[in-house]
Amino acid sequence: GQQLNQSPQSMFIQEGEDVSMNCTSSSIFNTWLWYKQDPGEGPVLLIALYKAGELTSNGRLTAQFGITRKDSFLNISASIPSDVGIYFCAGSNTGNQFYFGTGTSLTVIP
Amino acid sequence: NAGVTQTPKFRILKIGQSMTLQCTQDMNHNYMYWYRQDPGMGLKLIYYSVGAGITDKGEVPNGYNVSRSTTEDFPLRLELAAPSQTSVYFCASKSTGVGQPQHFGDGTRLSIL
Repeated sequence: GQQLNQSPQSMFIQEGEDVSMNCTSSSIFNTWLWYKQDPGEGPVLLIALYKAGELTSNGRLTAQFGITRKDSFLNISASIPSDVGIYFCAGSNTGNQFYFGTGTSLTVIP
Repeated sequence: NAGVTQTPKFRILKIGQSMTLQCTQDMNHNYMYWYRQDPGMGLKLIYYSVGAGITDKGEVPNGYNVSRSTTEDFPLRLELAAPSQTSVYFCASKSTGVGQPQHFGDGTRLSIL
């Protein structure tokens, strides 16, 4: 199957700091998605990207579709305690079957 | 709007038992998916369906079966439960259209002892 590597695996940051995480693939994707998962719940979509080079924001979150189409980045500005959770990237080259990264666990220290 | 509903939320099975994980969605989505999530890992696709009557294997289908008799329901069947199937199972659905995002249920936590 497709290999998606996310880094870092985990982050511990102070409230108010900015966060950056990325996802790389061994193959080209046409769609990149970023999800957040809270404990005991299913992943919830944060941002969807459909074009190489695309930069999309959702509040304090900004994601970019890498130019090579093999990577994507997620930034969170001015982190708050409720940002705690696991962030997953997902990629697709068919638009209907998605491959998920291994996740970045974020802890925000008040 | 309920979205994607999974039942049960938790279940403990003995080795060799069988069970069906239920998933239903009320968004009239054609595409439905079953994933498993092991501790510290991402989601692995078990089976998916592009519409009623059509199912396909994902990355890790061994030990599972699915059916899709209606648009709304996509049950996942474990015939002979094994400890390796201990995991959290997520069902998802999406509308037709390339790149449309998946909507997930809250998961079923399954332990095989």
